[in-house]
Parts: sequence; C-alpha cells; structure tokens
Amino acid sequence: DAKTTQPPSMDCAEGRAANLPCNHSTISGNEYVYWYRQIHSQGPQYIIHGLKNNETNEMASLIITEDRKSSTLILPHATLRDTAVYYCIVRDQGGSEKLVFGKGTKLTVNP
Amino acid sequence: GAVVSQHPSRVICKSGTSVKIECRSLDFQATTMFWYRQFPKQSLMLMATSNEGSKATYEQGVEKDKFLINHASLTLSTLTVTSAHPEDSSFYICSARVQGGYEQYFGPGTRLTVT
Repeated sequence: DAKTTQPPSMDCAEGRAANLPCNHSTISGNEYVYWYRQIHSQGPQYIIHGLKNNETNEMASLIITEDRKSSTLILPHATLRDTAVYYCIVRDQGGSEKLVFGKGTKLTVNP
Repeated sequence: GAVVSQHPSRVICKSGTSVKIECRSLDFQATTMFWYRQFPKQSLMLMATSNEGSKATYEQGVEKDKFLINHASLTLSTLTVTSAHPEDSSFYICSARVQGGYEQYFGPGTRLTVT
C-alpha cells in the first residue's frame, strides 16, 4: 500500500505557481520522498526527491516539513504541458527498490 | 541520458495468443528492471522485478507462468503475456534502474488490447 496521501485533483492557472501537497505521516528516518508525474498515456517522469532538506532542480522545488510528515512540490510557473498526474512516493533508498504508486493528484493547468 | 524504450508502443492481439513486449535501456546499463501494469483511470501496479541473469520476483497475485519475464542482458528485459485474454488488456510500463544507482527511469509504455 502507498504510504502517502494526496488530494485527488487540483487546478492551477497558467503562469502561476502550482503547489501540490503530500502527507506521509508514517515516514521513517531512512525513507526519501520522491515525486514523479505521468502525462496522459505516457510513462512516469522523475521530477525530484529529497530526504529532509528542501531541494530544487530545473523542474521543481520540494519543500519537506521539519517533522518530515508532509511535503509540497512546487512548480514555480506552471504551463499547459504540466497538466499530469503527480505521484508522491516514499521509498527506502537503502532497502527495497520498489516504487509503490498511490492514486496521485491530477493537476490541470488552465489557460 | 537515461532513456528507456519499449516496443511495441501498441499491440492488438487475439485471445489465446502470446505477446512479447521489449524494454531497453538505450544509454545506460540496468541490472534491475521493473514491470508495471496500469488499468484505465488507475495507478501503476508493480507486477515484477527482474534482475539481469536471474529469475524475476513477482508481486503477490501476479501469475508467473502467464507473465514470463526474461532479463538476459544489462540493456534488455522482455515481458511475454501468454495465452492473452481480454482482461489482460492494459497499459504495460517498464522501468530500469541505473547500475550502481537508485533512480528508476520509465519507458513510454505499451498499450495491449486483446480482442
């Protein structure tokens, strides 16, 4: 079973920041938070991951709360091409390699 | 870098026939590859984990004799759906883990329709 909880859907205006929340209250100390997204009828695409520090790359920023029980993926300037299902996954990098996908958040970016 | 391809992208077959799907890591070596299945409006479900040169590990409820997995090289894994039935119609997606790394990179998926 997925260890994360995400809202089923969100809307965002084009050009605005999209903030996607994820709850992972049972996360353990050695588990990382990963974000993937899946555009319709394509394979998932890796976005970003982190352990406890905030992370930023060319695609997005990841903000992890101090207690690590929740996180937020931020797309700073959403475009129509960012419309996708976004999956938040917790994973033990040193143990199981499995990625257990929950239901994710369907983000719709509106013009 | 880290590109994974799948072939074919779409396949239609008749009930009772077998279908082979290929997953290739194009620019890296992958000791481990994963096979997922996704039904419409549902999330990805892991079917099996395959390691190069050894038998695949199947998730609970996945029939190993029906979904044959071969991972004969560091760049190729195949999934064969044997005696396919309409309920096997789904989107099959593979991913590959970079040798010595933790990241998984996904293929574009194969849409299987069994008539």
